[in-house]
Amino acid sequence: QKEVEQNSGPLSVPEGAIASLNCTYSDRGSQSFFWYRQYSGKSPELIMFIYSNGDKEDGRFTAQLNKASQYVSLLIRDSQPSDSATYLCAVKSEYGNKLVFGAGTILRVKS
Amino acid sequence: DTGVSQDPRHKITKRGQNVTFRCDPISEHNRLYWYRQTLGQGPEFLTYFQNEAQLEKSRLLSDRFSAERPKGSFSTLEIQRTEQGDSAMYLCASSLPGPTREQFFGPGTRLTVL
Repeated sequence: QKEVEQNSGPLSVPEGAIASLNCTYSDRGSQSFFWYRQYSGKSPELIMFIYSNGDKEDGRFTAQLNKASQYVSLLIRDSQPSDSATYLCAVKSEYGNKLVFGAGTILRVKS
Repeated sequence: DTGVSQDPRHKITKRGQNVTFRCDPISEHNRLYWYRQTLGQGPEFLTYFQNEAQLEKSRLLSDRFSAERPKGSFSTLEIQRTEQGDSAMYLCASSLPGPTREQFFGPGTRLTVL
């Protein structure tokens, strides 16, 4: 079992719709959760981070965390073609310093 | 520009040659990380520095790989006797101290070993 799992996609949504990206993790000691966006050929760009159970909203983005289920998600409201990218979920344990990444989910927003 | 910078952005080399990459972190960040990313995969952790001390190394970091951060500022990653399997994007990230601090990535160095 991989430490961080994501559906590779591609996830296709129409412009203006809500895109829902999901991630599960295996280490129950994980404390910090991050979502990065990566355009083709570019480096990861931090979008959101969340530490506590529940929802965290930032503009069109909402991160959701459920530690009991070991599940974290990212919702993108009013999806735009410019949101088309690979979304990487990353997890950090309480005492660790490294990020453990999933393989990413490809999102395609169709205009 | 106050972000993480990396040099070179692209490197093409022949198998068996040595290569060295440089990373300059965000100025107030004392933590620096190296990751490697291959096509279709997420970044994989290689090593981590706090100031000049290398505190963690991945098993991925074979003896052909060495990283330094001599003055606690910029860092170098050297790969000796490159192999075709070393072809990847090498990413550097930096962060402030603290268990929940975000890591910010540089643009990466894309290595192609022929």
